[in-house]
This record gives sequence, C-alpha cells and structure tokens, in this order.
Amino acid sequence: GNSVTQMEGPVTLSEEAFLTINCTYTATGYPSLFWYVQYPGEGLQLLLKATKADDKGSNKGFEATYRKETTSFHLEKGSVQVSDSAVYFCALMKTSYDKVIFGPGTSLSVIP
Amino acid sequence: EPEVTQTPSHQVTQMGQEVILRCVPISNHLYFYWYRQILGQKVEFLVSFYNNEISEKSEIFDDQFSVERPDGSNFTLKIRSTKLEDSAMYFCASSDEQGAEKLFFGSGTQLSVL
Repeated sequence: GNSVTQMEGPVTLSEEAFLTINCTYTATGYPSLFWYVQYPGEGLQLLLKATKADDKGSNKGFEATYRKETTSFHLEKGSVQVSDSAVYFCALMKTSYDKVIFGPGTSLSVIP
Repeated sequence: EPEVTQTPSHQVTQMGQEVILRCVPISNHLYFYWYRQILGQKVEFLVSFYNNEISEKSEIFDDQFSVERPDGSNFTLKIRSTKLEDSAMYFCASSDEQGAEKLFFGSGTQLSVL
C-alpha cells in the first residue's frame, strides 16, 4: 500500500545550522508530495508541496525536491531559527480526490 | 485568518463511555475530514464527509465511530464505546475543494481513555 517514512526524531539543532529531514515514500503512479508543519499548540499547516517528478517546493526558506528515482522528498533549510521549532510531517496524496497519507512526523528543536 | 476550531483540547473518559469530539470548520468549506494520531505514530485518515454523507472511510472507522454535521456549522466525531486504543490526538480538517493543498487543520483534541 501507499506509505511515508520519515527519519526518527527528535532533532535538535543550534540556530543557523543546516537542516535535513529525510522522507521516502511508497506509492503507485505519481503521487503529490507535501510537507506539513505543526507548531506547538496549533494545527497542521501546509508548508510546501510538489506535484510531479523533479519539482521543487519551497516556502519560508524550506525546500524539498520530488525525486522519483529515489522515491524521496527530503526537507532542507540552510539556516534554521528558533521559530522553526515544530513537528514536521511528510505526506502524499495519490490523486486530488484521495485522502492524505502522513508520515509519523519529526520533532525539531532549535536552540539559541 | 479563518481557522478550524476543535473542542475540547483535551478529553478524558472511562473505557466504554461515549465521547463526542467537536469541530467547527471554516464557514464556506464543503469537505470535512477526521484524522487521528496515536502517540508516537503516524497521522491516520479516519473519514471524509461531503454533501452530508461519508465519502470515504478507513478500516479504523468501524461501527463504533460516526460523524455528523448537525446544524450546518459543527462537524462531530462520536465514538460510541471507547476503548483504551482509541487514545490519540484527533484532528479535524476542512477544505473548499478536494485536494490536500487546500486543507486547513484544527489544533486537535487529545483523547485519553482510562
């Protein structure tokens, strides 16, 4: 079946460090891929998306590239801030009429 | 900015009791969803609801679960007889069209079954 796997957390980084959160997926066809973020006490928010191979999604300094050959969608940011502390969820959707399938989430803590 | 509101933020109940989790979706949205996350596990789809009926449900959503949109503004999830394994964070979501790009999530209700 369709599934998403993420790197285990929690991840703790110093401010201005480089961030990578790995995500790989299993799906038939060409799903759309997403990163959601959940800040403390808030709901899930869409961070970025990519809908086809080699697309790069970006938002708020975060980037992720849809790699079909490695079935990956790794999240990166060049210089994290304390305000980036949150839980990050990788997700996929097979078609626009389908439900979202989430990964388990990766908790990120950025310390000053 | 419009938001999806869920109440309560934390619900504690005894095993076997009925619980109702409440959600107020964004007012002009047409598609409604419930997801849940058991502690340390992935966020799982439970059910989608459109045009006053369930459009899709997962295998988790058995006869103990039901959803309702009783008054055109609220969207509720009822668990008829709670089990210990129902303990989880339950997220409501809504959108004005199909597709994940337009989904708005609530902040969740943490259900603890004792």
